[in-house]
Amino acid sequence: KAGVTQTPRYLIKTRGQQVTLSCSPISGHRSVSWYQQTPGQGLQFLFEYFSETQRNKGNFPGRFSGRQFSNSRSEMNVSTLELGDSALYLCASSFGWGNSVRTEAFFGQGTRLTVV
Amino acid sequence: EDQVTQSPEALRLQEGESSSLNCSYTVSGLRGLFWYRQDPGKGPEFLFTLYSAGEEKEKERLKATLTKKESFLHITAPKPEDSATYLCAVLHQGGSEKLVFGKGTKLTVNP
Repeated sequence: KAGVTQTPRYLIKTRGQQVTLSCSPISGHRSVSWYQQTPGQGLQFLFEYFSETQRNKGNFPGRFSGRQFSNSRSEMNVSTLELGDSALYLCASSFGWGNSVRTEAFFGQGTRLTVV
Repeated sequence: EDQVTQSPEALRLQEGESSSLNCSYTVSGLRGLFWYRQDPGKGPEFLFTLYSAGEEKEKERLKATLTKKESFLHITAPKPEDSATYLCAVLHQGGSEKLVFGKGTKLTVNP
């Protein structure tokens, strides 16, 4: 059974540029969540998509955006990159069927973004 | 607002020396408490989900327990390959799958 796949694994970008990261969830999972991980802040929630709709959003500026496609694959975009955006970006997939269903969330290996 | 606090921040053990990691939480209606293991530069690896107070789950040398305010990850006779950062996260009642994470406990097991 394939796990969560994130591409690319590593990226180096210059301040002011934009970047798009991709996440393919486990087959059958409809929820994809994105997290930013930094040494100082730990894992922080960016947003969650379920059936192509954003269901929740964290406290990040509007430069961070995302979308989900009909096959549940998701992309996140960061525009006008800043040095502070350097981090490990992780996506997690789950069934996402709500309170009535016990759930498990599985993470990809992440995309290491370095902004110079 | 949901909060998760893990202690200690770092823990050094000798191989075979058992110990416990703590995760205390405040959440408005717990739907699940998750434990993950993370190796440097990699994504978190799922270990357990606990759903209600009194629940316990085991996997090899790891055992997770849950009360109404905290969870413990017990490590029995650890080996050097158990060295990693262990993360705890909570999921609250509601329609979203948003996880709130603690800062983690970095475990080092010396041979």
